[in-house]
Amino acid sequence: DTAVSQTPKYLVTQMGNDKSIKCEQNLGHDTMYWYKQDSKKFLKIMFSYNNKELIINETVPNRFSPKSPDKAHLNLHINSLELGDSAVYFCASSLLQGGEAFFGQGTRLTVV
Amino acid sequence: GENVEQHPSTLSVQEGDSAVIKCTYSDSASNYFPWYKQELGKGPQLIIDIRSNVGEKKDQRIAVTLNKTAKHFSLHITETQPEDSAVYFCAPREGAGGTSYGKLTFGQGTILTVHP
Repeated sequence: DTAVSQTPKYLVTQMGNDKSIKCEQNLGHDTMYWYKQDSKKFLKIMFSYNNKELIINETVPNRFSPKSPDKAHLNLHINSLELGDSAVYFCASSLLQGGEAFFGQGTRLTVV
Repeated sequence: GENVEQHPSTLSVQEGDSAVIKCTYSDSASNYFPWYKQELGKGPQLIIDIRSNVGEKKDQRIAVTLNKTAKHFSLHITETQPEDSAVYFCAPREGAGGTSYGKLTFGQGTILTVHP
């Protein structure tokens, strides 16, 4: 009964490919996020959705497209992957925008 | 947007010692000040938080102190244990309003190592 679950846990792919990461939360939260953590552990917000509506888009390249089919799911699709996209991507949710965030286990994306 | 500085970037202590990590923020309208702990291979997890109407909060061996005037808050861990070894992040919430949506801005992280 994992609170925030994301799949896959690991993703290795070639440059130029398109890939998706899925996230689901069973906490009944209204807000979901995508964060990117680079090799230096720096954690930066990418997107925030509140009840399926995009609230925050932090100047992320438009190759990254989030989709929220319902408030329990927030998926991340990445087109034309580049080497610099290699990172750990975390999904998170909170009851309200800016509240305590519950994180998933992360997806380690490696672009070769 | 919020500028956040967290120090030190690495901290090494002996078991039983105390550890202190400081976080400085820029938005005077910030009103919520959490600390997260990230263990290896896991997502960050909230360990303690404080709101702007309180100066200090304790939970067993961990405490957070807030100085709103100086715009900084600190994490204090006493009687450290090897299982406290992790990366710690501050994440002040910017004040909501205008173009701000009250998001959390994470500090650069502090790698804490507790030696047995």
